Amino acid sequence: EAQVTQNPRYLITVTGKKLTVTCSQNMNHEYMSWYRQDPGLGLRQIYYSMNVEVTDKGDVPEGYKVSRKEKRNFPLILESPSPNQTSLYFCASKRDFTDTQYFGPGTRLTVL
Amino acid sequence: DQQVKQNSPSLSVQEGRISILNCDYTNSMFDYFLWYKKYPAEGPTFLISISSIKDKNEDGRFTVFLNKSAKHLSLHIVPSQPGDSAVYFCAASASGTYKYIFGTGTRLKVLA
Repeated sequence: EAQVTQNPRYLITVTGKKLTVTCSQNMNHEYMSWYRQDPGLGLRQIYYSMNVEVTDKGDVPEGYKVSRKEKRNFPLILESPSPNQTSLYFCASKRDFTDTQYFGPGTRLTVL
Repeated sequence: DQQVKQNSPSLSVQEGRISILNCDYTNSMFDYFLWYKKYPAEGPTFLISISSIKDKNEDGRFTVFLNKSAKHLSLHIVPSQPGDSAVYFCAASASGTYKYIFGTGTRLKVLA
């Protein structure tokens, strides 16, 4: 089944404790992206990747890192999480030169 | 600076009637627009898109209209069904970029 998976689905952590949210897709998509969803703000793009080893900043990259060492994986790294990073995070992927992004089920992160 | 705006946070419509969801944008570089639907506890799913070379695109019960001069697009759902109850996001992008700007979403409730 074609899908985007994220782990963990739920995470509660404390300020400053490094964490990684994994994202994996099995559709051989070139493009992957991370978004956060916050009430009243909709979905905002954090980082995106056009292909392996090619990444760029979205609208809200501060406090986040990403890497794209393999085509199927695009982890989101929070080196020193803060409470303002409490949010619902979505990973997405798509084929290059197409429109349809396929989204993962989301990761709800709470930073205390 | 909200480049893509959905000014109606919520909308209620009777089953069988038309639902009209609106979206405004400010950046004239945007030339591709998409609508996504999101159910609770799931990632957004692609619904329909439109390129700026068109002013209308249909897919079954869903039609998107684009008015470039007004920088406005709308999604029409006819007839509306209870299963259409969800949050709808519009998104915009510009050719040659890999960035997507989403609106804040409109929660549609279709009443049986």
